[in-house]
Amino acid sequence: GQQLNQSPQSMFIQEGEDVSMNCTSSSIFNTWLWYKQEPGEGPVLLIALYKAGELTSNGRLTAQFGITRKDSFLNISASIPSDVGIYFCAGPLVGGNQFYFGTGTSLTVIP
Amino acid sequence: NAGVMQNPRHLVRRRGQEARLRCSPMKGHSHVYWYRQLPEEGLKFMVYLQKENIIDESGMPKERFSAEFPKEGPSILRIQQVVRGDSAAYFCASSPIGNEKLFFGSGTQLSVL
Repeated sequence: GQQLNQSPQSMFIQEGEDVSMNCTSSSIFNTWLWYKQEPGEGPVLLIALYKAGELTSNGRLTAQFGITRKDSFLNISASIPSDVGIYFCAGPLVGGNQFYFGTGTSLTVIP
Repeated sequence: NAGVMQNPRHLVRRRGQEARLRCSPMKGHSHVYWYRQLPEEGLKFMVYLQKENIIDESGMPKERFSAEFPKEGPSILRIQQVVRGDSAAYFCASSPIGNEKLFFGSGTQLSVL
């Protein structure tokens, strides 16, 4: 199946630091979604991107849809302990039905 | 709260039994997706349904697994004759239209003894 590669795989940062993670694919996507998942819960949608080059913010989170439509990044500014979780990128291939999910980036924030 | 509702949250079955997982989509959503997640892994697509139709079941194992989304009532993921390897978290997501953003339920954790 389609592979979405996320990097880094895990991050350990100090509270207050900024975070950057990205997601790459060998295929073109027409939508990029970013989710956060906490233990024992389902993924929660953070940001949705629909156009190449689009830059969208949601509070301290900012995400961009890459120009090539094969990548996206997510930034978190001034991290806080409640940012802890696993962040997934996801999206459907152009003309496809299913949403593929990335391998995830695990974020740990040290107070 | 009109979010995606899944039940049960936890389901324990013995090998050979049947497991039925239910999902009620968000109000107004007619598209349902089922995903499976193993510990420390990402979500793997299983099936995409609209009311009374299976649109894409390319991620479903060919045997023992089936899904439906009837005209009335929740979507059901059914696993017959469960084996230990079926133990996982199963998530349902809904969308108002296809290829739009997905909203997830809290999942059903299936444990097979």
